Amino acid sequence: QVQLVQSGSELKKPGASVKISCKASGYTFTNYAMHWVRQAPGQGLEWVAWINTNTGNPTYAQGFTGRFVFSSDTSVSTTYLQINSLKAEDTAIYYCARVRYFDPLVFDIWGQGTMVTVSS
Amino acid sequence: DIQMTQSPSTLSASVGDRVTITCRASQSISSRLAWYQQKPGKAPKLLIYKASTLESGVPSRFSGSGSGTEFTLTIGSLQPDDFATYYCQQYNSYWTFGQGTKVEIK
Repeated sequence: QVQLVQSGSELKKPGASVKISCKASGYTFTNYAMHWVRQAPGQGLEWVAWINTNTGNPTYAQGFTGRFVFSSDTSVSTTYLQINSLKAEDTAIYYCARVRYFDPLVFDIWGQGTMVTVSS
Repeated sequence: DIQMTQSPSTLSASVGDRVTITCRASQSISSRLAWYQQKPGKAPKLLIYKASTLESGVPSRFSGSGSGTEFTLTIGSLQPDDFATYYCQQYNSYWTFGQGTKVEIK
């Protein structure tokens, strides 16, 4: 069946880096874009970035440029989100979600989420 | 950037109630509006897209309406499984979520 399986929880110190993954299965990976969405504890959903899985070209939301790096490896149907120079405010659940390349551009399948905790 | 504003933030209701959630966009988004349901500890689930089209498998008690800047999500007869947080999302220009509406048991 169609699914996105994310890597496990991470506990990092401020200033460190983390790289989380999202592995797709059950569909043709390059037929869909991949997105990341962040949810801070007790808060709402915030769109982070998307990547064209055909070209590997990422686009970031405002506020997520510089420290966030979104990459893709079509050979293993997996996308990665790396966050550098971690801050306490990066503590959140990060979800990956797939989106078609044509309307409606909605998030129809989601990963289970990866909890990233930044604490000294 | 397009801002999405939901109301109310919290809604207390009983099983069987008809429930309506409103979502307003800061500028016109045509009908490029989706609704998601999120339960505690779970990923969001797509309910409705193009303002009023039900995603496959979603119960018919859910309905959506609106276009331009004002949209509504209606649950015709609230069921125990529907107590959750609901988010609207625009996809007309990048992607933006509303702040969420928690539907809780009265």
